[in-house]
Amino acid sequence: DAGVTQSPTHLIKTRGQQVTLRCSPKSGHDTVSWYQQALGQGPQFIFQYYEEEERQRGNFPDRFSGHQFPNYSSELNVNALLLGDSALYLCASSLEWRTYEQYFGPGTRLTVT
Amino acid sequence: DQQVKQNSPSLSVQEGRISILNCDYTNSMFDYFLWYKKYPAEGPTFLISISSIKDKNEDGRFTVFLNKSAKHLSLHIVPSQPGDSAVYFCAASVHIIQGAQKLVFGQGTRLTINP
Repeated sequence: DAGVTQSPTHLIKTRGQQVTLRCSPKSGHDTVSWYQQALGQGPQFIFQYYEEEERQRGNFPDRFSGHQFPNYSSELNVNALLLGDSALYLCASSLEWRTYEQYFGPGTRLTVT
Repeated sequence: DQQVKQNSPSLSVQEGRISILNCDYTNSMFDYFLWYKKYPAEGPTFLISISSIKDKNEDGRFTVFLNKSAKHLSLHIVPSQPGDSAVYFCAASVHIIQGAQKLVFGQGTRLTINP
């Protein structure tokens, strides 16, 4: 049973650039949530996708956008990167009827220089 | 506005003894509480959850206790093993739209099990 996978593992970008992170949910899961984890902090909710629609967004600017595909996989895009966007980006998947029980991928470590 | 707080950044426990990790929350609308364990360079691993209508849930060596009047929950690990050394996150779920929930996390507690 494949768990949540994310790619790439690490990424280094320059301020002002754009980045795309990818996530494949756990087998059978249809809902994907994205979180940002800064150093020494707990993960912060960015947004959640279900049926290819963004359900809710946390306190993140429009530079953060996402997409969900028909196979439930998802992408997180960040435009006009800032130094403060450096963080671990975590994808979590769940079942639509049990979205409180979320399973996380290993994350993508983004460094903005 | 930190709705979920873990006030102890670190905890050190001897192998074989009980580890108790604590978490406080402020939002009465949270409906589930969860504990995750995180190793370096890995994502959080789900450990155990409890519904807000319960006061205890047990799974093997892990037990979570919920005190709604105090808005406090704790995770007990008995007996503690070296492999339990990790960062533990407390999380609470809240509805975002009908049928969907997001998680709100505490800052984490680093547990070290000493041999």
